[in-house]
Order: sequence, then structure tokens, then C-alpha cells
Amino acid sequence: GQNIDQPTEMTATEGAIVQINCTYQTSGFNGLFWYQQHAGEAPTFLSYNVLDGLEEKGRFSSFLSRSKGYSYLLLKELQMKDSASYLCAVVDSNYQLIWGAGTKLIIKP
Amino acid sequence: DTAVSQTPKYLVTQMGNDKSIKCEQNLGHDTMYWYKQDSKKFLKIMFSYNNKELIINETVPNRFSPKSPDKAHLNLHINSLELGDSAVYFCASSPDREPYNEQFFGPGTRLTVL
Repeated sequence: GQNIDQPTEMTATEGAIVQINCTYQTSGFNGLFWYQQHAGEAPTFLSYNVLDGLEEKGRFSSFLSRSKGYSYLLLKELQMKDSASYLCAVVDSNYQLIWGAGTKLIIKP
Repeated sequence: DTAVSQTPKYLVTQMGNDKSIKCEQNLGHDTMYWYKQDSKKFLKIMFSYNNKELIINETVPNRFSPKSPDKAHLNLHINSLELGDSAVYFCASSPDREPYNEQFFGPGTRLTVL
């Protein structure tokens, strides 16, 4: 079966750095997305990785290792507005998006 | 201004009723999707249309029927609503079917079946 694993919840302090991990077992791989979803709102796109390595975009970076079936989202200089759920999603061999349940990130002052 | 819009935002109804949710995108995208997000926050694809043609039809009860009158609209009709249908339904769109495309989501419709 297809499986995406993320921690259910994480807590971090304003100004700090946090790493949210995602491991996947899917039938094929055509890329991995990270989306941010604030409570009661729609998911919004953060990043897309298809090649191994780190991609940086401002305070957010996303890493992929295809051989390990592993990705992480790194958030630096955390702000209160970063409190949200972070969803990992993998494109499988049928070009369908398989979504994880998301990691709820709580930022404390 | 709104890229992907859905109506209604909230829908409360009785078991056994029939209801529809409408979705429109003004981004000029070819591909549209319906997702269900349950209380455990899993997003599950239900349907996908590309240029009005159905391309993904997951294992969804046939009480759910999508309709795409044109590529800017994808509506969802639900017959004989059940308690388990209570969830947030998101419409989304992307430029085309390519897997690397970002999906743009509507604000969601919170359906509560009593």
C-alpha cells in the first residue's frame, strides 16, 4: 500500500529552527510537495522536490533523499504566523498525489 | 480577484438529503480536483477533471457525482447524504495534468450531516 508518515504534532519556540520529517512508501515517485495549511483554511503550496538535495526558499528549505524515501521541511527564524499544519504529499507512478495527515506545528513565544 | 472559489462555505443538512457544492476557478487552468478532508486531516482525492474530461475517479460511493460544464467549473453533487459524509471538501486547480504543478485550493466547504 501507499504510506506517508509525518509526526502528528511538534512544538517550537519563536525565533528557533524546526525540522519536520516525512517518510514515504509509494508505488513509484514523481516528486514530493510540501503544503502549509492554517487552521480552517485551504492548503497553500510551499515547495516541490523531484531531485535529491536541498532547496532553499527564504526561511523555508526542503530536502529530499529518494533512496531513503525521506524528506524534511526546515523552517528558520520561526514566527508566530508559522503555526499551522504542514502537509507532505508524494506524486506516485500514476501521477496521483498521495497526502500525509500533516504535522501540526505549534509556535510558542 | 479570487482564484478558486467554492460555494457554500458551510453546509448543514439532514441525512438523506441531496446537496451540491459549486467550484469555479479564474486562473485559466485545465485541471480541477475535488478532495475530502476528514476529521483526521487526511486529504483524499475524489475526482479530477482535465478540460471537462474525468481523469481520476477514486473509490468514492456513486452517491457522489461530479459535473464539469466547462473547464472553469467543477461541481459536486451528493445524493442521499450520510453521517460519514461530514468533512471539509476542497476544490483545487492546476495549470495541467503535469505532476510538478502546484495545486491552488479553494477555501473549502464544511459539510455537516445531522
